[in-house]
Amino acid sequence: QQQVKQSPQSLIVQKGGISIINCAYENTAFDYFPWYQQFPGKGPALLIAIRPDVSEKKEGRFTISFNKSAKQFSLHIMDSQPGDSATYFCAASMENQGGKLIFGQGTELSVKP
Amino acid sequence: NAGVMQNPRHLVRRRGQEARLRCSPMKGHSHVYWYRQLPEEGLKFMVYLQKENIIDESGMPKERFSAEFPKEGPSILRIQQVVRGDSAAYFCASSPMETGNTIYFGEGSWLTVV
Repeated sequence: QQQVKQSPQSLIVQKGGISIINCAYENTAFDYFPWYQQFPGKGPALLIAIRPDVSEKKEGRFTISFNKSAKQFSLHIMDSQPGDSATYFCAASMENQGGKLIFGQGTELSVKP
Repeated sequence: NAGVMQNPRHLVRRRGQEARLRCSPMKGHSHVYWYRQLPEEGLKFMVYLQKENIIDESGMPKERFSAEFPKEGPSILRIQQVVRGDSAAYFCASSPMETGNTIYFGEGSWLTVV
């Protein structure tokens, strides 16, 4: 029940295309869903986050879509660029557990020029 | 650099030695979290600390691992009698009290046990 399942494991997209990464969760007590971007040899950097009271949040080229009834959320990267090539992690946590995040397994994104 | 500072960035230890990883949170942050990332895996929560208190250590292995966040100085993650399976990247994150779930990660400490 504490798991967050992420797919696909790896993704190749052409420059200018849309990258879509999906996550699913079981625990309905989760109420915070962030996405992190990680480059090799670096720490994860917070990209964008959403709470269940909204179905979509957009920041620049990054959009989170959230489906509460399906217990799924996804990251869309519009106009993907080679500089977006990185590993992306979804995560979930509960309000009363501060920064105790349950992470997905990660998606390695490669954007081809 | 006002970010989360971790050191050392890379550490090599022989089996049976001790590893000490240090983390200085962002300025103004009083909450510290340690996560472990094994090769080809996601990040796993280990422990959550506030100054002088361990709040949640549910992700810490029962033996050989300990963590502290003293009143003065950085947070320390200590691994005694390291084994090859401890080889991983260890990330520290911090948050200020008022932002709830949002945490900011450091660059990590890569431990290699030979």
